[in-house]
Amino acid sequence: DTAVSQTPKYLVTQMGNDKSIKCEQNLGHDTMYWYKQDSKKFLKIMFSYNNKELIINETVPNRFSPKSPDKAHLNLHINSLELGDSAVYFCASSQDQGSQPQHFGDGTRLSIL
Amino acid sequence: GEDVEQSLFLSVREGDSSVINCTYTDSSSTYLYWYKQEPGAGLQLLTYIFSNMDMKQDQRLTVLLNKKDKHLSLRIADTQTGDSAIYFCAEKKGTYKYIFGTGTRLKVLA
Repeated sequence: DTAVSQTPKYLVTQMGNDKSIKCEQNLGHDTMYWYKQDSKKFLKIMFSYNNKELIINETVPNRFSPKSPDKAHLNLHINSLELGDSAVYFCASSQDQGSQPQHFGDGTRLSIL
Repeated sequence: GEDVEQSLFLSVREGDSSVINCTYTDSSSTYLYWYKQEPGAGLQLLTYIFSNMDMKQDQRLTVLLNKKDKHLSLRIADTQTGDSAIYFCAEKKGTYKYIFGTGTRLKVLA
C-alpha cells in the first residue's frame, strides 16, 4: 500500500489556468507538507498543516491555496498558473514527536505551456 | 540564512567508498537526516542521527556529525551502481520545519 500518494503524477496545462493536486497519507500522521522542487532539484517547503491547521506558510504567493479537509488529506490549488510554477511538487507527512522523519509522495510534475 | 550546503556533484568507482558532506545552519537542530532521490521518484529516508550523537552506522551507511562545526557526512561503503542518485541532507528545526540541503548528485562508475 502506498503511504503518501499524490495525483496526478503529471500535469501539463496552459498559463492562466487553475489546477489542483491531491495528496493522501495512510500513515496516521498528524502533519502534512507541500514542497516545490525546481529544475535544479532545490527543495523548498511551501506549507505545513498539523491536524488540519496551517502551521507554516513560507512566503508562497496567494495564488497557491492549500486545503486540508481532514488530517489524512492535504490538497493544493493553484490559480492563474504562471511559467515559473513549472516544477515538481512533493507532498510529505510526518508524526510530530521526536525523530519522526518525513515520508514523501512520488511527486507531481507540473509543466506550464 | 537558512541554506544547508552540499557539494553538487560526486563521482566514484563501483566498490569504492563515497563520502557526501553537508553543512547545516542551526546548532539547535534536534535531528539530521539523509534522503535519497532516484530519477522520477520522491525522497526516500536513508538514515538519521540525533544531535547528541557523533556517529551512527547502519549496514553500508555511516553518518558522522560534528556539531561544533555544524557538519554532517554520509559515507557509503562498497558503492554500487544502484546508489547513483541525488542525496539530500535535512535538519529538523522545531517541531514542524525541515530544511533541506541543495542535494549531491552521486554518479557511480562501473
